Amino acid sequence: AQSVTQPDARVTVSEGASLQLRCKYSYSATPYLFWYVQYPRQGLQLLLKYYSGDPVVQGVNSFEAEFSKSNSSFHLQKASVHWSDSAVYFCALSRTGGYKVVFGSGTRLLVSP
Amino acid sequence: GGIITQTPKFLIGQEGQKLTLKCQQNFNHDTMYWYRQDSGKGLRLIYYSITENDLQKGDLSEGYDASREKKSSFSLTVTSAQKNEMAVFLCASSMDRGQDTQYFGPGTRLLVL
Repeated sequence: AQSVTQPDARVTVSEGASLQLRCKYSYSATPYLFWYVQYPRQGLQLLLKYYSGDPVVQGVNSFEAEFSKSNSSFHLQKASVHWSDSAVYFCALSRTGGYKVVFGSGTRLLVSP
Repeated sequence: GGIITQTPKFLIGQEGQKLTLKCQQNFNHDTMYWYRQDSGKGLRLIYYSITENDLQKGDLSEGYDASREKKSSFSLTVTSAQKNEMAVFLCASSMDRGQDTQYFGPGTRLLVL
């Protein structure tokens, strides 16, 4: 069975600082991997997704993520955060050909001024 | 672009009551999902549907029924609301399988007194 672990429930960074949100997955083959963001009182929106090719994938709003098969990880990064990036971030996984998507428990990001 | 509409936005019920949540999408997507979001637990799949009149159980289907009578709509029924239950129910749709981007509605917030 597949699973997704986001080890950090909350992360606080200063505006302008760099960011890394961690995601580890468990799946025997190569999965489809996603990062979604949830702003207050809204549904989730896709930031980026990865399946194959360049292990660094670019997303919206200058976010990027790096896939590592050896570490079973898909960490989200941003070089310089803005206060508007404060939100909850979810890492998710889907297996090839399946319909189900497994979500991590989410990381709440707070960007302080 | 399309939109996912969830009604009602807020739902307050009594213990033992049957409660119905509705979801509409105008993306013309084949697949629709219902998730439950509890604080700190991420999203858990209740039901999904890959086409009109199809229903597939997720990991959290006990205590829920679902219905997909039209391609554009997917409803969820809480068969017997549990006292002090509080959660957000998110509806999502995607073109086809799990590797496709999911588009989410804003959620229905449930409180059971």
